[in-house]
Amino acid sequence: GAGVSQSPSNKVTEKGKDVELRCDPISGHTALYWYRQSLGQGLEFLIYFQGNSAPDKSGLPSDRFSAERTGGSVSTLTIQRTQQEDSAVYLCASSFRGTGNTIYFGEGSWLTVV
Amino acid sequence: DQQVKQNSPSLSVQEGRISILNCDYTNSMFDYFLWYKKYPAEGPTFLISISSIKDKNEDGRFTVFLNKSAKHLSLHIVPSQPGDSAVYFCAVTTSGTYKYIFGTGTRLKVLA
Repeated sequence: GAGVSQSPSNKVTEKGKDVELRCDPISGHTALYWYRQSLGQGLEFLIYFQGNSAPDKSGLPSDRFSAERTGGSVSTLTIQRTQQEDSAVYLCASSFRGTGNTIYFGEGSWLTVV
Repeated sequence: DQQVKQNSPSLSVQEGRISILNCDYTNSMFDYFLWYKKYPAEGPTFLISISSIKDKNEDGRFTVFLNKSAKHLSLHIVPSQPGDSAVYFCAVTTSGTYKYIFGTGTRLKVLA
């Protein structure tokens, strides 16, 4: 596609439920990132995928968070047993090689946990 | 321990005047610098970048300046327009790595 595509654009979920957020990167981009922006905060790195290499999960805030990338393209970020502090916009980005290149963001998935 | 700081959370500028957004970083290993603009309810969009081999890069109304000795980055917008009102993030990275570290953002408001 022309840009990074994310779904759903908005999600309201009850505390304790699981949610899945999807990201479809720009075609041909091998690097994929997930970031999070909570209200009034900056962009927080969550996880990075590059080709077939093992992902860097160092930014995931707890073991309730996981992500996978199937076939080197689409990625899913899963949050289990959601908490109110998980409310944020979850941003996916991709880049061509992932090193010293511009990364391009999707529109974000706005998650509200009530 | 913030490696990238945008010390001004907000900035108001009159239409037609210059907007200057600042960004400081701590690690001299960073060698590629970017600015992103973010409107409410949208993802950040790439604006302009600069490599450490340069000290200035210009694209239309937008110019990024890099002062490596001071570890300081700035974005100049001239003339500022109401449509420039957004949150601006600086980001830094090191070639050969993949970590892009973002500042906390500066909210720019251009007054008509």
